[in-house]
Amino acid sequence: DIQMTQSPSTLSASVGDRITITCRASQSVNSWLAWYQQKPGKAPKHLIYKASSLESGVPSRFSGSGSGTEFTLTISSLQPDDFATYYCQQYNNYPWTFGQGTKVEIK
Amino acid sequence: EVRLVESGGGLIQPGGSLRLSCVASDFTVSSYYMSWVRQAPGKGLEWVSVIHGGGSTFYADSVKGRFFISRDNSKNTVYLQLNSLRAEDTALYYCARDGSGRSFQHWGQGTLVTVSS
Repeated sequence: DIQMTQSPSTLSASVGDRITITCRASQSVNSWLAWYQQKPGKAPKHLIYKASSLESGVPSRFSGSGSGTEFTLTISSLQPDDFATYYCQQYNNYPWTFGQGTKVEIK
Repeated sequence: EVRLVESGGGLIQPGGSLRLSCVASDFTVSSYYMSWVRQAPGKGLEWVSVIHGGGSTFYADSVKGRFFISRDNSKNTVYLQLNSLRAEDTALYYCARDGSGRSFQHWGQGTLVTVSS
């Protein structure tokens, strides 16, 4: 199985900050990587697919990059609505697997 | 508007069985990859199973041989049959549909399964 490891597990930041979350795969997933945002009590929200494609309706301050085994999610200017938990997920090989999550907290 | 509505969760004893349903609106389930993803209380997301448009099915190792995914095209519904349930299967079970990139573009609100004596 492909293991997905996110770092950091928790990130404290302020409104307006630029933040980056890293996701590493234990073997290549090519560009078959997605990012999701989840808020407490809510279903996850699809942000990025194929490593860097922005889901329709997602603000342009979100961006994804990478291929192979290393990927990043960047929020260029953190907004109050962005405080949430973020997950990466590979869908290159079965079983599909998620990272453990990164919680973005208010500093 | 794409809508996914899960049902069928509840409190079940270890070793018991349950069938979850996911009713889809505004699209045809047989045209997409339909998955189940679960989240244990306070934990992260875990993919459980998928059924392809062509009918192929795949499972996480943790549920293989115990859980079975299926669909009823006439009802536009996807099911997850949960057998031999264990305490570690306690989770909120989400139904999800893929988008252009095969990732989970649309999600339901989930149905809670609690396995406890």
